[in-house]
Amino acid sequence: GNSVTQMEGPVTLSEEAFLTINCTYTATGYPSLFWYVQYPGEGLQLLLKATKADDKGSNKGFEATYRKETTSFHLEKGSVQVSDSAVYFCALSDNTGFQKLVFGTGTRLLVSP
Amino acid sequence: DSGVTQTPKHLITATGQRVTLRCSPRSGDLSVYWYQQSLDQGLQFLIQYYNGEERAKGNILERFSAQQFPDLHSELNLSSLELGDSALYFCASSVDLNNEQFFGPGTRLTVL
Repeated sequence: GNSVTQMEGPVTLSEEAFLTINCTYTATGYPSLFWYVQYPGEGLQLLLKATKADDKGSNKGFEATYRKETTSFHLEKGSVQVSDSAVYFCALSDNTGFQKLVFGTGTRLLVSP
Repeated sequence: DSGVTQTPKHLITATGQRVTLRCSPRSGDLSVYWYQQSLDQGLQFLIQYYNGEERAKGNILERFSAQQFPDLHSELNLSSLELGDSALYFCASSVDLNNEQFFGPGTRLTVL
């Protein structure tokens, strides 16, 4: 079945450092890919998405490119802030929409001043 | 604030008991989703309703059931509770079947 694999956390960075959180997926067909963020005590928020190969999703300085050849959707940010500290989830849906999201295990990011 | 509300925020109960979790979707959203987030299983899709009808099912146990009412709020019923059912239960809603899901703050269930 479909699955998502994320790098283990926590990822600990200093403010203004470069961030990469790796995500790879296994899916049949052409899934849509997503990054969600969960701040402490809150529900998940959609951070960015990509619906087809070579699409780049971007939001709030975060970017991820849908790479079909490597089945990857790595999350990057050029300069992290303390306020970016949260848990980040990579996810896919098995059609072109949002139904039945399959999530990775989540990666906790801790940014220190 | 996503506009999705869930009650209660916390629930503590004993094994063998039954509980009901409630979700009110964003105004205008017809689709409701339920997810379970636990330490060992991660975040898993349970079930989806659209305009009162079940549309998709995930890893939902037979002891669990859900429904969506005419006013579009949804309830997730968990029965014969086990220790392993302790988790965060999230509800999400979307305008229709294939749009962005907006998540509620979750209900934390603790089974003792």
